[in-house]
Order: sequence, then C-alpha cells, then structure tokens
Amino acid sequence: NAGVTQTPKFHILKIGQSMTLQCTQDMNHNYMYWYRQDPGMGLKLIYYSVGAGITDKGEVPNGYNVSRSTTEDFPLRLELAAPSQTSVYFCASSPLGSQNYEQYFGPGTRLTVT
Amino acid sequence: QQQVKQSPQSLIVQKGGISIINCAYENTAFDYFPWYQQFPGKGPALLIAIRPDVSEKKEGRFTISFNKSAKQFSLHIMDSQPGDSATYFCAATIGGGADGLTFGKGTHLIIQP
Repeated sequence: NAGVTQTPKFHILKIGQSMTLQCTQDMNHNYMYWYRQDPGMGLKLIYYSVGAGITDKGEVPNGYNVSRSTTEDFPLRLELAAPSQTSVYFCASSPLGSQNYEQYFGPGTRLTVT
Repeated sequence: QQQVKQSPQSLIVQKGGISIINCAYENTAFDYFPWYQQFPGKGPALLIAIRPDVSEKKEGRFTISFNKSAKQFSLHIMDSQPGDSATYFCAATIGGGADGLTFGKGTHLIIQP
C-alpha cells in the first residue's frame, strides 16, 4: 500500500491564481481530511469528508473548496490564491472503525503564494 | 479560541533523560486524546493515544498521563534518544475524530547526545 499520497510536493502560485492539490489514499478509508500547518501554529482543519459525496467545513474553510466523488480521492481547490494561503497542506485518512481512530497523513504539499 | 493548549513550545533534553510535554483542553466533550510525532519534511504520525476512562497509558518508552478533573494530559518520553528529536503535537477530538482533530501548537524536542 502506498498509503496517502499528495501532489505536488512543492508549488509556487501567483496571487489570484487557482490550483488543485491532489490527495489519494489506497486504504479504502471512508474518512478523509485536509489540514494546513503554519509555523508555530499546529495543524488546523480545513475540510473533511465522511464518505464519497459528503463533505463538511472545518475550522478554516474560507478560500478553499473540496469534492469527494470517489472513496480514494479528496482534492482541495484554492480559488483566487492569497498570500495568507502560503502554508504546508496535509491530507489524512482514517478508517474510524473497530476502535481504530488513527489518522494517516500524507507527506504534505508546501505551497507559496506570491 | 484555542481549545488545546500545549507547552513548552521547545524543549532540549539530554540523552537518557525524561522529556515531558503538557497539554490542557477546554471542551469537556473531548473523548479521545492522541499524540502525533512529526519529523522534518514528513507528515505527522500517530505515536500513542488515550481515552478519558484511564489515567495512564504506556507503550514502550512513551507514556500518556491523563487528569480528567484538571483537563490536562501529558506525554512522557523515558530514556530519551537523539532519534526522538522531532515535533510533537497533542490533539483532542470527539467520537474518535470523525469531524477532525483539534491540535495543540506543537513542541519542538531536541535530544542532545
């Protein structure tokens, strides 16, 4: 199993541009999450999904959109990028069943908006 | 509003010593408290977790102590090793994390040889 994979690893985006961060998991997990990590601030939840076709906002959803058309994929869309969206983005998945609540994180996407 | 407060922000411990990281939470509905370990350039990985029906959980050199009345929990790393140097995050959630984890701000731990 590859686990949770994210692309790209790094990206520089100009202010006002849009892009999609890709996330795929091959563990057949129903639950998937997007977090952003800023220096000294921990991780903050952007969006999450409890299954295909179902998504919900987290703590910091403004400026982002998600979709979940399959169990495996959970892309994060940035519209009209702003410097405040410069961050490291982590995708995670969880089986959330049989007492296994572990969230499995991908390697992250480091995004700079300039 | 920061629902999980973590301290210290950074910590330097000598090899073989005990590393202690503390967290406090506000929401009494939280029922699952994991600790994640993150190495530079990597995603966080689950280290150990506890539920509030027990006061302590030990896995190898790692122990979580939980004080429900004080709404505090801590991570103890015994016989700390240079390979333990990483950033540690405490977190809390309801129902195992179906709607995500609330993380502390992290502790940058350095174990000096």
